[in-house]
Amino acid sequence: DQQVKQNSPSLSVQEGRISILNCDYTNSMFDYFLWYKKYPAEGPTFLISISSIKDKNEDGRFTVFLNKSAKHLSLHIVPSQPGDSAVYFCAALQGAQKLVFGQGTRLTINP
Amino acid sequence: KAGVTQTPRYLIKTRGQQVTLSCSPISGHRSVSWYQQTPGQGLQFLFEYFSETQRNKGNFPGRFSGRQFSNSRSEMNVSTLELGDSALYLCASSSDATYNEQFFGPGTRLTVL
Repeated sequence: DQQVKQNSPSLSVQEGRISILNCDYTNSMFDYFLWYKKYPAEGPTFLISISSIKDKNEDGRFTVFLNKSAKHLSLHIVPSQPGDSAVYFCAALQGAQKLVFGQGTRLTINP
Repeated sequence: KAGVTQTPRYLIKTRGQQVTLSCSPISGHRSVSWYQQTPGQGLQFLFEYFSETQRNKGNFPGRFSGRQFSNSRSEMNVSTLELGDSALYLCASSSDATYNEQFFGPGTRLTVL
C-alpha cells in the first residue's frame, strides 16, 4: 500500500520556467512533509519541508504547498536551472524519524 | 563538519551469504536510520536507532537486523541473502529533534548474485 505517491515518473521543463512536482498521500495522520533531491551515486539531499499547520513554505527558488483537504502537496521551483535536474522525492514523517517516501520524479531541465 | 559516511560503497555477494554494512553519522547526531532503495519499491524504511536502541522498525523480514554503538555508529546486517536484496542501502542521521531533517550518506550498493 503506497501511502505517498508521486504519479509522474518524469518531468521535462525549459530552463527559466517553473517546475511543479506533485505528491499525494493517503494517511491523514501524516503531519510533516519533506522534499529531497537525489543525484546519481549520491544519497538524497534535504530541500524543504512543511508542517501540516501551514499551507506554504518558501526557501529561495523552492516553494512547497500543502493542501490538507486534498491530501496533496507540490514543490515549485522557479526559475528552473540545469543544476536542478535530478530525482525528487516527496516524503512524509510517520513517527519519530521514520520517513515514508514516494517513488520519485525525475526532473530534467532543458537549456 | 564531515557528512554521513557509509562503507563499503559497493559490495557483491552470493545467495545465502550474509553481509554487514556500516554507517558513521554526522558528529553529534544520535539518531541513525536505514533505508533500502530498489527500482521497484523505491525508498523504504528499514529501522532507526537512537542511543543504541532500536526505536522504529519497518516491514522487513528478520533477516534484516541492525545495531548502534555508543559512539552512534551503526551497522546493519542481512543474513541468508536473496537475489531481491540487491539494492542501494542508505543510512541517514539526524540530531533527533522530532522534525529535524535527516542527512543521508552516499549509500552502499549491494549486488546479490
